[in-house]
Amino acid sequence: DAGITQSPRHKVTETGTPVTLRCHQTENHRYMYWYRQDPGHGLRLIHYSYGVKDTDKGEVSDGYSVSRSKTEDFLLTLESATSSQTSVYFCAISGQGANYGYTFGSGTRLTVV
Amino acid sequence: EDQVTQSPEALRLQEGESSSLNCSYTVSGLRGLFWYRQDPGKGPEFLFTLYSAGEEKEKERLKATLTKKESFLHITAPKPEDSATYLCAVNSGGGADGLTFGKGTHLIIQP
Repeated sequence: DAGITQSPRHKVTETGTPVTLRCHQTENHRYMYWYRQDPGHGLRLIHYSYGVKDTDKGEVSDGYSVSRSKTEDFLLTLESATSSQTSVYFCAISGQGANYGYTFGSGTRLTVV
Repeated sequence: EDQVTQSPEALRLQEGESSSLNCSYTVSGLRGLFWYRQDPGKGPEFLFTLYSAGEEKEKERLKATLTKKESFLHITAPKPEDSATYLCAVNSGGGADGLTFGKGTHLIIQP
């Protein structure tokens, strides 16, 4: 996807280990979001950022933390991974906020065993 | 709490057979309703934003409409390449605070 890259694309980790997912953008957009997507659920917002060092919680933030030290990077950390956090994680960016449409990354498939 | 319900969950059509996907929503105050398309293994792709009842938007074979309680995505004379999952989402808070998504409709267009 042009302008937004997620890494890694796939990861398998063990229960109890910390995991960090990275979202990198080259669009200089102010707003960045982390969502998770699970079968039987819609995309659910985990955390979002509205500027460098400005972040806030979404609907399903328990067990997750984020950091944004530069405009282009938004990191999602699972402090101690659990099997319930097995999911596909999507990063999204927007120049003017949620109401103006997102550009999504290609996703990270995380499996916690 | 915002709620978005999409129907049907899955739909199989023959090429050229027109149909509609439904998105029913409950929000405290609608700031925007969104349609996205998602292909397998990829992130969603933005299609439309609708802001007020009566609004319509079109893109190729797709047309989105909005009422006070629901939105429809009409697909006219679909082609196999229109096969995808179509997601509906709403924003009731505006600004940066994210969207509430439905579970999607999985659309298959058979040649």
